Amino acid sequence: DTEVTQTPKHLVMGMTNKKSLKCEQHMGHRAMYWYKQKAKKPPELMFVYSYEKLSINESVPSRFSPECPNSSLLNLHLHALQPEDSALYLCASSQDLRGDRNFGPGTRLLVL
Amino acid sequence: GQQLNQSPQSMFIQEGEDVSMNCTSSSIFNTWLWYKQDPGEGPVLLIALYKAGELTSNGRLTAQFGITRKDSFLNISASIPSDVGIYFCSGNGNQFYFGTGTSLTVIP
Repeated sequence: DTEVTQTPKHLVMGMTNKKSLKCEQHMGHRAMYWYKQKAKKPPELMFVYSYEKLSINESVPSRFSPECPNSSLLNLHLHALQPEDSALYLCASSQDLRGDRNFGPGTRLLVL
Repeated sequence: GQQLNQSPQSMFIQEGEDVSMNCTSSSIFNTWLWYKQDPGEGPVLLIALYKAGELTSNGRLTAQFGITRKDSFLNISASIPSDVGIYFCSGNGNQFYFGTGTSLTVIP
């Protein structure tokens, strides 16, 4: 299995909702990442996990809460989001922090 | 975070033409990667370069790791409509950075 998978593909939520994005990889990669991407812009790094521990938090608001239950799974819990949080959320993984990053297909999030 | 300077920002070309784009940085990198992203999808890794001066091909795509380690180039030969998308370079040194992207439109 050489893929990073993400669910759901699309998500619409209200500002009072709580939802979660899920990411999974079975390549044995020990680094996993969350990125946020606005239209026609490069992905912006949000969080980095290395060996299931949070390694980097790029000053992301607390309404985004990452979780790494095991080496194959990465979640992003969403609560009280704002309309400006609407974006494509990408998960990526790599062998380690220096490895090439493989991206999932993304979750298109719309906050109303 | 830092972004790499990628040019051109956009290209409109006729099917069958060759395409060139490049990426420059003020820092040196150990790895240069080139990704392609289709609308609403995640970036897909096209070519990875690990050594200064390295020239690597993947079908009609050829990429080079600049000798100074501060730049990289991607060429696409004989473009076809499915080459449409946004191409991002990325450099990996102490941190991982993305270029600003090149939007490619191929006119049949």
